[in-house]
Amino acid sequence: SQQGEEDPQALSIQEGENATMNCSYKTSINNLQWYRQNSGRGLVHLILIRSNEREKHSGRLRVTLDTSKKSSSLLITASRAADTASYFCAFLIYDKVIFGPGTSLSVIP
Amino acid sequence: DAGVIQSPRHEVTEMGQEVTLRCKPISGHDYLFWYRQTMMRGLELLIYFNNNVPIDDSGMPEDRFSAKMPNASFSTLKIQPSEPRDSAVYFCASSDLRVGDSPLHFGNGTRLTVT
Repeated sequence: SQQGEEDPQALSIQEGENATMNCSYKTSINNLQWYRQNSGRGLVHLILIRSNEREKHSGRLRVTLDTSKKSSSLLITASRAADTASYFCAFLIYDKVIFGPGTSLSVIP
Repeated sequence: DAGVIQSPRHEVTEMGQEVTLRCKPISGHDYLFWYRQTMMRGLELLIYFNNNVPIDDSGMPEDRFSAKMPNASFSTLKIQPSEPRDSAVYFCASSDLRVGDSPLHFGNGTRLTVT
């Protein structure tokens, strides 16, 4: 996407390890969302963090937002094989929700 | 709630044929979005509706694409005539609050193959 980038493009880890994915964007945002997509399925919303928040938790997920650096990170702790999926950040630009290119995560049992 | 329902799940058609993709959003959601996903371009927003009215269709690739929302529970995306480069997974999504303020709920998509 011209509006945002994600890294790494692909990540392979062992079960139990932590996984960190990063998202950067180019314009000011009101909030940023993270989604997961399992193979052959639609995207599923994970978490929304607002521009006045710096960190948010949901279960094994931890999201940070640094508006000065225009970046966000998603941390999945104690990964499981079921976490294998693609992860996308999404943000609002001119009333459109734009998605980053995604990170493909493989968790090896 | 059954979630966002899309049909068909798979569509294979020949170049030049008309293709119609269907979507039933979650009841009570005021916003409906059509996205296209390809390996090369990722997820692209094609068009979105608010209260059945098209708000932004700037992502529709060309005049061969059209979308309608005749009522709050149904939307269609039509491609006529279809071309091989239209091959992609098309997703419908809905949400209930102002765009960007609430999660998008996605259907499982329609995988379109144009030969």
